[in-house]
Amino acid sequence: QQQVKQSPQSLIVQKGGISIINCAYENTAFDYFPWYQQFPGKGPALLIAIRPDVSEKKEGRFTISFNKSAKQFSLHIMDSQPGDSATYFCAARKTSGSRLTFGEGTQLTVNP
Amino acid sequence: DAGVIQSPRHEVTEMGQEVTLRCKPISGHNSLFWYRQTMMRGLELLIYFNNNVPIDDSGMPEDRFSAKMPNASFSTLKIQPSEPRDSAVYFCASSLWGSGRAYNEQFFGPGTRLTVL
Repeated sequence: QQQVKQSPQSLIVQKGGISIINCAYENTAFDYFPWYQQFPGKGPALLIAIRPDVSEKKEGRFTISFNKSAKQFSLHIMDSQPGDSATYFCAARKTSGSRLTFGEGTQLTVNP
Repeated sequence: DAGVIQSPRHEVTEMGQEVTLRCKPISGHNSLFWYRQTMMRGLELLIYFNNNVPIDDSGMPEDRFSAKMPNASFSTLKIQPSEPRDSAVYFCASSLWGSGRAYNEQFFGPGTRLTVL
């Protein structure tokens, strides 16, 4: 029940295309869902996050879509750029806790 | 404003040696996390502390691993004795957590790349 399943494992997109990464969870006690971005040689950094009281959150080219009934959420990167090439992790956390449960990660490559 | 500080950034050691990784969380943060990242297993939570108290160490691989947080501004992760399969990048992260602060992000350090020969 603590797992967060992420797909795909790797993704290759052409510049200007849309990148979509999906995550699913089982624990209904999760109520905070962040996405982290990690560049090679760096630690993960928060990209965007959503709470379950909204179905979508957009920040620039990055959008989280959240489906509470399906227990799924996804990251959409519009107009993908080579600089977006990185590893992306979804995560989930219970309000009562401080720990994050991370997905397995998706390595995104955006070709010029 | 300094972020999470980790030292050393790189460590190369021989099998059987003791390794100590260090972390200084962001000032004022009260939760500290140790993660291990490998290609095979991804990002794994090893242990985390709230207010310097270990809350969950179920991710610690075995008794060779130990972590301490003697005060709010310092934590160590020790491996003794080290083995080649411990080779990984170890991250420390901190956050501000507590009543009324349900959604605070974790800030990660730059990591320590450990190689055990």
